[in-house]
Amino acid sequence: RKEVEQDPGPFNVPEGATVAFNCTYSNSASQSFFWYRQDCRKEPKLLMSVYSSGNEDGRFTAQLNRASQYISLLIRDSKLSDSATYLCVVFSGSARQLTFGSGTQLTVLP
Amino acid sequence: NAGVTQTPKFRILKIGQSMTLQCAQDMNHNYMYWYRQDPGMGLKLIYYSVGAGITDKGEVPNGYNVSRSTTEDFPLRLELAAPSQTSVYFCASSRDSPAETQYFGPGTRLLVL
Repeated sequence: RKEVEQDPGPFNVPEGATVAFNCTYSNSASQSFFWYRQDCRKEPKLLMSVYSSGNEDGRFTAQLNRASQYISLLIRDSKLSDSATYLCVVFSGSARQLTFGSGTQLTVLP
Repeated sequence: NAGVTQTPKFRILKIGQSMTLQCAQDMNHNYMYWYRQDPGMGLKLIYYSVGAGITDKGEVPNGYNVSRSTTEDFPLRLELAAPSQTSVYFCASSRDSPAETQYFGPGTRLLVL
């Protein structure tokens, strides 16, 4: 079983749509959780951290369910510029490193 | 600030050749990392450093070496290149912990033939 699993997609959605990505992680001792965004042939960039109580940044909402070891990212009112690959990332204190999912590809269509 | 810079952007190597991938950061970050990303896969940690003079292995260190003589620079050395090392290599840095925001360089695309 992969340590961090994501649906690879691709997700093709029209502008203005709401889209949700899910991610599961296997290490119950994981401590910190993130969503990174990676544009085609570019480097990853932090989109947002994910907190236990859930958190929102503009059109983006992240949720964490520790009991189910599940993380989600919701994008509302999708823009063309949201087209990218979204990487679910988990930090384990014992391993002292980030573990990356393989990413979910999103294309927002005009 | 330039952030994290990497050179070269792209390189073709023959099997058995060696090369050094350069990485530098100007943010005075203590932690630096080397990752590789294969097509359709997540990033895998090769080596990391918690400060000048201190390095440690990540998940996939075989075939690579690193050094960290200054805070700014963290070169990755490939000895005896193999086709399995064909990948995109990203260098990253963070201030004081791997759990803080990691800032990535633009990547080096390496093809080993």
